[in-house]
Amino acid sequence: GAVVSQHPSWVICKSGTSVKIECRSLDFQATTMFWYRQFPKQSLMLMATSNEGSKATYEQGVEKDKFLINHASLTLSTLTVTSAHPEDSSFYICSARDSRDSSNQPQHFGDGTRLSIL
Amino acid sequence: AQSVAQPEDQVNVAEGNPLTVKCTYSVSGNPYLFWYVQYPNRGLQFLLKYITGDNLVKGSYGFEAEFNKSQTSFHLKKPSALVSDSALYFCAVRERAAGNKLTFGGGTRVLVKP
Repeated sequence: GAVVSQHPSWVICKSGTSVKIECRSLDFQATTMFWYRQFPKQSLMLMATSNEGSKATYEQGVEKDKFLINHASLTLSTLTVTSAHPEDSSFYICSARDSRDSSNQPQHFGDGTRLSIL
Repeated sequence: AQSVAQPEDQVNVAEGNPLTVKCTYSVSGNPYLFWYVQYPNRGLQFLLKYITGDNLVKGSYGFEAEFNKSQTSFHLKKPSALVSDSALYFCAVRERAAGNKLTFGGGTRVLVKP
């Protein structure tokens, strides 16, 4: 089945540093990838839709300059949390849709990245 | 705008008993409906979907769900729960006219006791 690899799975860093999270589709091409944020015991909140070769589409309330998204190839999207602060600590999950799939097919999710900012 | 409600934060069930996780949705058009399961510190695993056709949909690990258009519901069911089914379950909807965007319910934690 379709596999999405997300790296790193866990990162702890100091306040003020920038952290890059990678999302790769391993056995399919993904024109579109999605970045979600999940707080403890809560649902997934869509942060942005990442489009290969073009700018990401951010959801209302998500700071574009804070959460930089790059989707430079059909198999890789990256989310960079710039100048991270403790309030950015969260579980970040990416998902991808196979470019060959019709719109009624499910998204494939990575295993998430737990980000802890000290 | 599309929305999903999972009215129960947690469902407790004894192993071997039937399991039901409730989901209702709201869309302006025809929905695509999905159920996902999440284990601790993991991403989401796809269980099943409703697109069109039979209202009863069968999915992975013995789960099934019934689409009820009049009640705008898509409840997840399993006839006999296992301890290993203990996890967080999410219902999601995508309106056909809304492009790729999925909207998730708040999640329901299922605890299956031996």
